[in-house]
Amino acid sequence: GAGVSQTPSNKVTEKGKYVELRCDPISGHTALYWYRQSLGQGPEFLIYFQGTGAADDSGLPNDRFFAVRPEGSVSTLKIQRTERGDSAVYLCASSLSSTTGELFFGEGSRLTVL
Amino acid sequence: SQQGEEDPQALSIQEGENATMNCSYKTSINNLQWYRQNSGRGLVHLILIRSNEREKHSGRLRVTLDTSKKSSSLLITASRAADTASYFCATVPGSNDYKLSFGAGTTVTVRA
Repeated sequence: GAGVSQTPSNKVTEKGKYVELRCDPISGHTALYWYRQSLGQGPEFLIYFQGTGAADDSGLPNDRFFAVRPEGSVSTLKIQRTERGDSAVYLCASSLSSTTGELFFGEGSRLTVL
Repeated sequence: SQQGEEDPQALSIQEGENATMNCSYKTSINNLQWYRQNSGRGLVHLILIRSNEREKHSGRLRVTLDTSKKSSSLLITASRAADTASYFCATVPGSNDYKLSFGAGTTVTVRA
């Protein structure tokens, strides 16, 4: 597609449930990033992929969070045993390479944990 | 952790006026970028300025960078209602090429 696509755009779940958020980056972009944005805050880095491998997952808050990018394109962010504090907008971005250029962001997936 | 801090947190101006917002950061950088976010939407890249540059222009946007003061400013000239959005600075550390660190943003409201 023309831009970064994220699904679902909204997800409401109950505490303790498992959630998957999907990101389809711009075709040809090898670098993919996940960020989390809480209300009134800037995005916070979660994880970065270069190709299929997670080059840096230092931003993942705990082991309930996991992300994959098996074929170097689409990525899935997985959250186990969701907690109310996980409620936020999860943003995906891609870039042409891992160099220091601009990131192209999707519209985000808004997660609400009740 | 967020490295950049924007100032002010919020700004309200009349259409046609200029809007200036500032960003301060803590550690050395490779480059600094500004993004815009309309309410409920994703971030859109506006401009990138490298550590060896002092000023950059793009349309009605002017960005300055002072590495000695670890600060940057974004000026929007002749503002329009469509400029109403949150603006974020993001820094790229010198040692890590990929990890953008965002500030909390400046919310700009342009009144018609």
